[in-house]
Amino acid sequence: KAGVTQTPRYLIKTRGQQVTLSCSPISGHRSVSWYQQTPGQGLQFLFEYFSETQRNKGNFPGRFSGRQFSNSRSEMNVSTLELGDSALYLCASSHPTGDTGELFFGEGSRLTVL
Amino acid sequence: AQSVTQLDSQVPVFEEAPVELRCNYSSSVSVYLFWYVQYPNQGLQLLLKYLSGSTLVESINGFEAEFNKSQTSFHLRKPSVHISDTAEYFCAVSEAGSARQLTFGSGTQLTVLP
Repeated sequence: KAGVTQTPRYLIKTRGQQVTLSCSPISGHRSVSWYQQTPGQGLQFLFEYFSETQRNKGNFPGRFSGRQFSNSRSEMNVSTLELGDSALYLCASSHPTGDTGELFFGEGSRLTVL
Repeated sequence: AQSVTQLDSQVPVFEEAPVELRCNYSSSVSVYLFWYVQYPNQGLQLLLKYLSGSTLVESINGFEAEFNKSQTSFHLRKPSVHISDTAEYFCAVSEAGSARQLTFGSGTQLTVLP
C-alpha cells in the first residue's frame, strides 16, 4: 500500500511569506504527526492530529498551525516566515488501533526561507 | 518530560566490524524506546522498538538494542556492518502508552568504510 505522501517536496519562500504543506497518511491511519528537522535543533515535535482534532502540541510559536480533514489528510501552515524556519518538515502517520509505537514517516518537505 | 542523549554524533567504522551506537534517556515515567534510521533525502524508518517484555529487541537486518532501566540506556549494536548501513540513526523516547509524540536524540551518523 502507498506510504505517507508529502507535498511539495521542495519549496523556496522569502521572509514574511506564508507556506502550507500537505500530508496524506497511509490509508486507514487516522493519526498524523508533524516534526521539524534542522541541523541545529534536530527533530522536534510540532503537533499531532487524530480524527480532525489536535491532540498534542509541541513548543512552537503560534505562527505554526495545522489541521486535519475528514479523510485524515493533514496540512500545516507557517505564517510570517523567518530564516530560522528553513527546515525539513516531516509528517508521520500511525495505525489507529492499539499503540504499537511505530510512526510511518514521509520523505518530508524541504523549506528554504530566503 | 523526556530527553534523549546520543553521545556520538559521528561513528566511522570499517565494513564487517562491530558497531555500537549509544543512547541514554531521562524520564520520570515509564517509557517506550525506539531507534529510527534515516537514509539521505528520505524520511525516517523504524529500526526497532522496546515497548515491554524482553529487554533485548532485534531488527530484521541484524541490529539489536537492549533496554537497561538501571542505566537508562538503549544502545544499538550490530556485530558486522555493511556499506549499506551507512545512514543517520536516531534514538527516540515516548511516554509509555503515548507513542505518537516522540522525543528524539540529536542523531548519530554511521559511516561504514570499505
